[in-house]
Amino acid sequence: NAGVTQTPKFQVLKTGQSMTLQCAQDMNHNSMYWYRQDPGMGLRLIYYSASEGTTDKGEVPNGYNVSRLNKREFSLRLESAAPSQTSVYFCASQGLVNEQYFGPGTRLTVT
Amino acid sequence: AQSVTQLDSQVPVFEEAPVELRCNYSSSVSVYLFWYVQYPNQGLQLLLKYLSGSTLVKGINGFEAEFNKSQTSFHLRKPSVHISDTAEYFCAVSDVNRGGSNYKLTFGKGTLLTVNP
Repeated sequence: NAGVTQTPKFQVLKTGQSMTLQCAQDMNHNSMYWYRQDPGMGLRLIYYSASEGTTDKGEVPNGYNVSRLNKREFSLRLESAAPSQTSVYFCASQGLVNEQYFGPGTRLTVT
Repeated sequence: AQSVTQLDSQVPVFEEAPVELRCNYSSSVSVYLFWYVQYPNQGLQLLLKYLSGSTLVKGINGFEAEFNKSQTSFHLRKPSVHISDTAEYFCAVSDVNRGGSNYKLTFGKGTLLTVNP
């Protein structure tokens, strides 16, 4: 039982490049989330998926897209990376009483 | 809309001292409450949760929290901290599930606990 896994762990991009962050959970949860974490700003919700086949914007969706590929997987795509997207990205899945389980994070640097 | 306020952004303490990390929330409905811990370069890990019932909740690593509905608070405490408790701590709140719906968490901005020898 791996919980929530994320790939890659680290990534360096040049401005304008694209990439996809992958997330998978093995807890059969319906809801999954993408957050970014920046110093002094706590966690900010980018997008979430309440169930397979649905996605919704969070607090900071601009510059991102998501895909809920199936119940297990929820990916985050940066189409044209900008330095402002330098951050640590966390995926989480949500259990029956709204407790969230987090992955180890992806540290992204955009130069 | 819900909000969570963690009253201290940083709390320095000495090893073996007691600590309290403060969390206040605002919500117009019944809530679930959570504390998470984030060690350096790791993801968030659930420390404890309040769903209903006893207002004193015990979690992992000797931490406990008390739900106070009248004060809308959920403060985290530990009677004697260790160097290894150095981490960032996040308080979070969600509406109680109803009508088959699950609700998102709203997180506070975190409190950095630094335990000094």
